[in-house]
Amino acid sequence: SAVISQKPSRDICQRGTSLTIQCQVDSQVTMMFWYRQQPGQSLTLIATANQGSEATYESGFVIDKFPISRPNLTFSTLTVSNMSPEDSSIYLCSVEGAWRTGGYDEQFFGPGTRLTVL
Amino acid sequence: DAKTTQPPSMDCAEGRAANLPCNHSTISGNEYVYWYRQIHSQGPQYIIHGLKNNETNEMASLIITEDRKSSTLILPHATLRDTAVYYCIVRLLSGTYKYIFGTGTRLKVLA
Repeated sequence: SAVISQKPSRDICQRGTSLTIQCQVDSQVTMMFWYRQQPGQSLTLIATANQGSEATYESGFVIDKFPISRPNLTFSTLTVSNMSPEDSSIYLCSVEGAWRTGGYDEQFFGPGTRLTVL
Repeated sequence: DAKTTQPPSMDCAEGRAANLPCNHSTISGNEYVYWYRQIHSQGPQYIIHGLKNNETNEMASLIITEDRKSSTLILPHATLRDTAVYYCIVRLLSGTYKYIFGTGTRLKVLA
C-alpha cells in the first residue's frame, strides 16, 4: 500500500491570493491525480499528473488556475491561483498502485486539504 | 459524466447485511466495477473491484449481474463504523486509469 500526506491539512485564505498544496507519497508511483470536493458534493477530477509529462486537465479546469508540478515519483504540488470563495473545497491527491495483483488496480487517497476562501 | 447511478441514501441495522445497488447500463466490455467509500470527509478508501465474476474480500462481496449492467456491494455484518458514502465507479484498467466519481450512496448504520 501507499501512505500519502498532504500539506497543509487546512487553510483559510483571502480572495485573490494563491495556495500551493503539497502531496508526498512514501513510495515511487507513476500516476498521480488531483481531485476537488466541494462542500456536500462528490469528488471531481481536476487533472492527472504523471511524472515526466505535462499534467492532463479535465474539462472545466485550466493550467492557469490550477498549475501542477510533478518533479519526481514521490511528490507533486497543486496551486490554486487567484482564489475566490467558489474555490472553497477539499483538495485531494491520489496515486495509482499495483499493490494487490501486480497490475494497476486501486488508488490510494491522501487525507485532503480543506481550503476556505474568504 | 459518471457512468453509474446509485440511490442517494440507505439505512441499515447494525449487524445486518447492507446491500448497496449500482446501475451501470452503459458499461463496456473491458471496464471494471469499483467500489470505494468515504468516511466523514476523509480520503476515499478502496473496497473491492471486479470485471464479471463475483468477488469477495475481507471487507465485502461484489455481485455483478450476468449482463454486467448492475452490481451490488454487500457488507455482510454492518457496524456503526461502516457509516459512510459509498461510491460505485466503472473504469478501464488501461490508458488514463482515471476515476469519474458519481454521487454515491450515503449509508447510515443504525444501532
